[in-house]
Amino acid sequence: NAGVMQNPRHLVRRRGQEARLRCSPMKGHSHVYWYRQLPEEGLKFMVYLQKENIIDESGMPKERFSAEFPKEGPSILRIQQVVRGDSAAYFCASSPPTPGSYGYTFGSGTRLTVV
Amino acid sequence: SQQGEEDPQALSIQEGENATMNCSYKTSINNLQWYRQNSGRGLVHLILIRSNEREKHSGRLRVTLDTSKKSSSLLITASRAADTASYFCATDAGGGSNYKLTFGKGTLLTVNP
Repeated sequence: NAGVMQNPRHLVRRRGQEARLRCSPMKGHSHVYWYRQLPEEGLKFMVYLQKENIIDESGMPKERFSAEFPKEGPSILRIQQVVRGDSAAYFCASSPPTPGSYGYTFGSGTRLTVV
Repeated sequence: SQQGEEDPQALSIQEGENATMNCSYKTSINNLQWYRQNSGRGLVHLILIRSNEREKHSGRLRVTLDTSKKSSSLLITASRAADTASYFCATDAGGGSNYKLTFGKGTLLTVNP
């Protein structure tokens, strides 16, 4: 079981470009969550998705950010027209429908640097 | 909004000593979890304690929860150099949003060999 796989591990984009971050959940997990971690900060919830459904996107910035979790393939977090303030580590977590006592399984993250 | 806040922000101890980290939060919770993050890596789930539990053990870890004080502590006994990492508490509010974790800024633990 490979766990939650995120790629790329590191991503450098120039201001104005698009960033696409991918997350493949753990085998058997149908729920995906995206979090953002700014330097010296804790993780902040962004969005919760199930296959083909956005359940809660209350933590997503209103503009430029979108997320999807298609029927086939990984979940994608897309940031359009990136700005320096988007530089952060983006973590994906997955879980079964009821996480129970095992918490959430996090990936190793994608570190986005906007130059 | 509630927020878990850990203290101290940084803790440096010698191998073999015990490490205690504290977490405070502001509103009612359903569960409280502790995670570890090694530098540049993802989070690893350590332990979950439910709001109706007061203490939980897992190996060298001991977690307590005091809902009246809205606080939790994580004790790592007989620390090892490999325990060096940042430790975060995360709370969820339960109800329909129990999937939404609120993390503190973490405690950076350094265990010196």
